[in-house]
Amino acid sequence: DIQLTQSPSSLSASVGDRVTITCRASQSISSYLNWYQQKPGKAPKLLIYTASSVLQSAVPSRFSGSGSGTDFTLTISSLQPEDSATYYCQQSHRAPLTFGGGTRVEIK
Amino acid sequence: EVQLVESGGGLVKPGGSLRLSCAASGFTFSRNSMNWVRQAPGKGLEWVSSISSSSTYIYYADSVKGRFTISRDNAKNSLYLQMNSLRAEDTAVYYCARDPSSDNWFDPWGQGTLVTVSS
Repeated sequence: DIQLTQSPSSLSASVGDRVTITCRASQSISSYLNWYQQKPGKAPKLLIYTASSVLQSAVPSRFSGSGSGTDFTLTISSLQPEDSATYYCQQSHRAPLTFGGGTRVEIK
Repeated sequence: EVQLVESGGGLVKPGGSLRLSCAASGFTFSRNSMNWVRQAPGKGLEWVSSISSSSTYIYYADSVKGRFTISRDNAKNSLYLQMNSLRAEDTAVYYCARDPSSDNWFDPWGQGTLVTVSS
């Protein structure tokens, strides 16, 4: 199975900060890496698919993704209060589909 | 609006069975692969099972293989998960999720249904 390791597991940042979350795969997954946002008590929401693609108008432009192979990054360019959530990466390269352990983002 | 609504969760004893349903609307259900993903209380996300649009391809996580069965009824716009031989570690919120492009990413997700396995 492909293991995904997210770092950090949690972070606290101020409104307006640039936030970076990384996801490392245990083997190359090309660009088959997706990112989700989950707020407490809610279902996850897709942010980024295939490493860097964004659904039109569904996701604020401050969210972006990059990477390929084994190393990937989710960046929030200017953190907003509503971005307080847990973020998960997920590989779609090979079954079984797997998720990272999550990164909890808190607002200072 | 694309919408997925799960139902069928509840409290069941270890060894028992439960059938989850997911009602889809707002899109052509028969054209999309569908998935079940679960989340144990306070834990991360775990993919459970996938089914292709015409039910030709079906996949399971090792943790549920042989105990859970995914199915769909395209005429009823519905996805199902039959869960047998339930264990305490199956306790979780179960989400159904659409795969919009058959590339194994999920959008949208339903609101989830809680399954609790306890004596």
